[in-house]
Amino acid sequence: QITLKESGPTLVKPTQTLTLTCTFSGFSLSASGVSVGWIRQSPGKSLEWLALVYWSDDKRYSPSLESRLTITKDISKNEVVLMMTNMDPVDTGTYYCAHRSPETAGAMDYWGQGALVTVSS
Amino acid sequence: SYELTQPLSVSVAPGQTARITCGGNDLGSKNVHWYQQKPGQAPVLVIYKDSKRPSGIPERFSGSNSGNTATLTISSAQAGDEAAYFCQVWDVTTAVFGGGTKLTVL
Repeated sequence: QITLKESGPTLVKPTQTLTLTCTFSGFSLSASGVSVGWIRQSPGKSLEWLALVYWSDDKRYSPSLESRLTITKDISKNEVVLMMTNMDPVDTGTYYCAHRSPETAGAMDYWGQGALVTVSS
Repeated sequence: SYELTQPLSVSVAPGQTARITCGGNDLGSKNVHWYQQKPGQAPVLVIYKDSKRPSGIPERFSGSNSGNTATLTISSAQAGDEAAYFCQVWDVTTAVFGGGTKLTVL
């Protein structure tokens, strides 16, 4: 079955760069049409999409955060990495990675458990 | 940028039908997906492509989409359906989520 799990620091200081890793199993990110995305959620708030990487290595970013984000994939390790620069306390929240397949018309059908990140000095 | 509008909260009595709306410009031309999120848990996909249910989602969950409004319908609501529900679309290559609706079953 498909599983995803986020890992990374729980606490980062303002201005630092956050690096999160999504380790997945049960699918191949080299299969046509498959993609993995990152979504975050501030405490008590809605979901905010951040970035997506396709099987083809095409990448898409949230327009409002594009200058701070980099998404990469490592097929050999079954990992997707998200880097976010210049962290600020408003970036505090839970960061999720999710699987997206063409079979569900682009819906994110499997999600990781989430990684809570606090930005504080 | 594209926006999706949801009511902040919806209440329903147990056994009754709950309807949660999602509004957006020409929404009927897009595929709408719905996610359920219980406190402390990751979102779960309950409806994709307007009205399709992933495996394991009860038939009580259904969806529709026309014009500027998509609707998630939960029939015979149960206490276990209490959660936040989010609609989502792709605006070209950008994912957009609605603000979320808290469903209370009382």
